[in-house]
Amino acid sequence: NAGVTQTPKFQVLKTGQSMTLQCAQDMNHEYMSWYRQDPGMGLRLIHYSVGAGITDQGEVPNGYNVSRSTTEDFPLRLLSAAPSQTSVYFCASRPGQGTPNQPQHFGDGTRLSIL
Amino acid sequence: AQSVTQLGSHVSVSEGALVLLRCNYSSSVPPYLFWYVQYPNQGLQLLLKYTSAATLVKGINGFEAEFKKSETSFHLTKPSAHMSDAAEYFCAVRISGGYQKVTFGTGTKLQVIP
Repeated sequence: NAGVTQTPKFQVLKTGQSMTLQCAQDMNHEYMSWYRQDPGMGLRLIHYSVGAGITDQGEVPNGYNVSRSTTEDFPLRLLSAAPSQTSVYFCASRPGQGTPNQPQHFGDGTRLSIL
Repeated sequence: AQSVTQLGSHVSVSEGALVLLRCNYSSSVPPYLFWYVQYPNQGLQLLLKYTSAATLVKGINGFEAEFKKSETSFHLTKPSAHMSDAAEYFCAVRISGGYQKVTFGTGTKLQVIP
């Protein structure tokens, strides 16, 4: 009963490096999202997907890319890491269209530090 | 556009005392409202949700919330705080249509004093 799995749990990068944060869900959910959590700011939406092959930008998309080739996986790519991207990143999923009353299921997060 | 305001970034209560965490929302259409809890180094877990079936919603761990349309509020309460309730709590709102984006409040950290 894995739910939403994020890897890695911790990562330290140098400015300018690139990396991919992995997210996988085993609940056959259509909708998946990436958030960043910063102190005092709640969760802010980076990118989201409403199904395989369909992605769109959230509130704070700059510096990040996503793709959704399968229902299960939704990786987040940092193109050229900057110290402002130091944050905790959460992946979430939920059932798709027509289910507005269904909550999101969250992974345990990836704690990312950019030096 | 919808928005959520959580009053008080930090709340302290004594063990056994009433817990009251405040959430006010803004939405032009009837909203779906959620409370999530986050324990240290973990993701968010659903505490309860309002979906218009009943204004008083009961959740896990003895928490409940009351939807008050006239006050645009969805405050979270628990009659008697337990040490294990220490965590951060987030209120969230979603409206119908399109992707049905969820907007989160900035969170309230609950400290329980023995």
